[in-house]
Amino acid sequence: NAGVTQTPKFQVLKTGQSMTLQCAQDMNHNSMYWYRQDPGMGLRLIYYSASEGTTDKGEVPNGYNVSRLNKREFSLRLESAAPSQTSVYFCASSEGLAGYNEQFFGPGTRLTVL
Amino acid sequence: SQQGEEDPQALSIQEGENATMNCSYKTSINNLQWYRQNSGRGLVHLILIRSNEREKHSGRLRVTLDTSKKSSSLLITASRAADTASYFCATDLTNAGKSTFGDGTTLTVKP
Repeated sequence: NAGVTQTPKFQVLKTGQSMTLQCAQDMNHNSMYWYRQDPGMGLRLIYYSASEGTTDKGEVPNGYNVSRLNKREFSLRLESAAPSQTSVYFCASSEGLAGYNEQFFGPGTRLTVL
Repeated sequence: SQQGEEDPQALSIQEGENATMNCSYKTSINNLQWYRQNSGRGLVHLILIRSNEREKHSGRLRVTLDTSKKSSSLLITASRAADTASYFCATDLTNAGKSTFGDGTTLTVKP
């Protein structure tokens, strides 16, 4: 079991460029999440998908879009990257809703926007 | 705005000592969870305590929950250098299906 995998591990973008962060889980979990973590801070929820076919905004959705491609995969897209989006991005999954279930986290993607 | 806030922000102790960190939150919850994050890594789940529970143990971890004070504490007994990490509480917004994380307590255990 690989758990939750994320690609890429590192990325440097120029302002205005676009990119997609990929996330996949092999635990047959229903719910998946995208968080960002800025230095010295906790995680802030960007978007989540409670179940396949649904997505909802979290605390900080502006500048991002998501796709729940299937039960395994949940991608995060930055359409026009800005320096304020420099952060570490974590994907997570849980069997059911996050408030009631343990979340499993991926290793993170470190994104720098110049 | 963040639901949970940890205190202290940083804690430094000697190996073998106990470490206590606290989490306060603002609104009613169904559950509260604690996670650990080693430097540069993803978070790892430690323990979940439900709103109708007052105390829960897992190995060297002891978590308490006081819903009247809207606070929780995480006690790590007989700490080890390997416990050096950041610890986060995560609270659910009732029936919202998602968790909100605090900014964490950074624990350093000196050998």
